[in-house]
Amino acid sequence: QKEVEQNSGPLSVPEGAIASLNCTYSDRVSQSFFWYRQYSGKSPELIMSIYSNGDKEDGRFTAQLNKASQYVSLLIRDSQPSDSATYLCAVNTGNQFYFGTGTSLTVIP
Amino acid sequence: EAGVAQSPRYKIIEKRQSVAFWCNPISGHATLYWYQQILGQGPKLLIQFQNNGVVDDSQLPKDRFSAERLKGVDSTLKIQPAKLEDSAVYLCASSSARDGNNEQFFGPGTRLTVL
Repeated sequence: QKEVEQNSGPLSVPEGAIASLNCTYSDRVSQSFFWYRQYSGKSPELIMSIYSNGDKEDGRFTAQLNKASQYVSLLIRDSQPSDSATYLCAVNTGNQFYFGTGTSLTVIP
Repeated sequence: EAGVAQSPRYKIIEKRQSVAFWCNPISGHATLYWYQQILGQGPKLLIQFQNNGVVDDSQLPKDRFSAERLKGVDSTLKIQPAKLEDSAVYLCASSSARDGNNEQFFGPGTRLTVL
């Protein structure tokens, strides 16, 4: 079982729609959770971090964490073509960081 | 604030050769990470430093990979000898230990091709 699992996609949404990206993790003691965006040929860029259960909003992005279900998600409202990228979920467990394989998102104009 | 710097950006070598990558973290960031990202996969943590001490290197192939962070600032990652499967992007990231939130910021990466 992988430590962090994401649907690889591709996920396609029309411009202006809500994109929903999901991530599950295996270790219940995981403490910190991160979403990164990675454009093709570029390095990961931090979008959001979340540490406690519930929702955290930052502009068009909302991260949701449910530790009981070992589930973290990212919602992107009013999706724009510039949001087209691979979204990586990362989990911090003790001293270890685990990344998922990423979900490819395409926003169609 | 300057970001994480890495060099070289690209490197092509033949198998069994050696190669070294350099990273300079964000100023003041005590924690430094080296990741390997193979095409189509997420980054895999190779080694984590806190200042100049190793926090975790459990996924570092120690028979061929080595890393150091002298003086707690710059770091180098070396592969000797390289294998075909080492072809990947090597990412360096840093985070501030002061805020305790472990948010990592990545450099541009070094793309290694082993022929």
